[in-house]
Amino acid sequence: DTGVSQDPRHKITKRGQNVTFRCDPISEHNRLYWYRQTLGQGPEFLTYFQNEAQLEKSRLLSDRFSAERPKGSFSTLEIQRTEQGDSAMYLCASSLQTYGYTFGSGTRLTVV
Amino acid sequence: TQLLEQSPQFLSIQEGENLTVYCNSSSVFSSLQWYRQEPGEGPVLLVTVVTGGEVKKLKRLTFQFGDARKDSSLHITAAQPGDTGLYLCAGVIQGAQKLVFGQGTRLTINP
Repeated sequence: DTGVSQDPRHKITKRGQNVTFRCDPISEHNRLYWYRQTLGQGPEFLTYFQNEAQLEKSRLLSDRFSAERPKGSFSTLEIQRTEQGDSAMYLCASSLQTYGYTFGSGTRLTVV
Repeated sequence: TQLLEQSPQFLSIQEGENLTVYCNSSSVFSSLQWYRQEPGEGPVLLVTVVTGGEVKKLKRLTFQFGDARKDSSLHITAAQPGDTGLYLCAGVIQGAQKLVFGQGTRLTINP
């Protein structure tokens, strides 16, 4: 197992389009997290799964955002009707405990 | 308002100098981590501290968790250009299930 994988690495989309990102966590890790990071800032929490259950969502996660983790393995994050303010790095992380996350390399989203 | 305040936000020093980065909060954390992030990549875990007063060393890096578990520091001795990067502190508030991050310290070591 080579770590947390995210796909795609980069995505450019037109405003109003829908986008979906995928995260494959470390296979033994039951916890999976999505964060968003804008330039010059630390990552901001979006949502958290333990196995297939989505246990917490940030207020940052508007109704245009949805995340799933079917069967408790990979996860997807979908953004509908993208806006320019959605441009950011979207990071996925997995862990066995509440700390010591392993992050993926992220998906850089640019909305034009 | 940031739950975790890092200072300084930017630091540029010469190779060979020492430096300290601080991470402060009014909240108590069950654990605190330090990460380093390169441009275009995800953060990489450097260390986790869980006990108040704990000190951990990683080569030239020394990490300390405050006695009250509300603050932490990262000290680098004899900084090298390879230490350049974004350093992030992150903690799990007692009773919570997720990491919250500071805004980061962008460190530049000049040859």
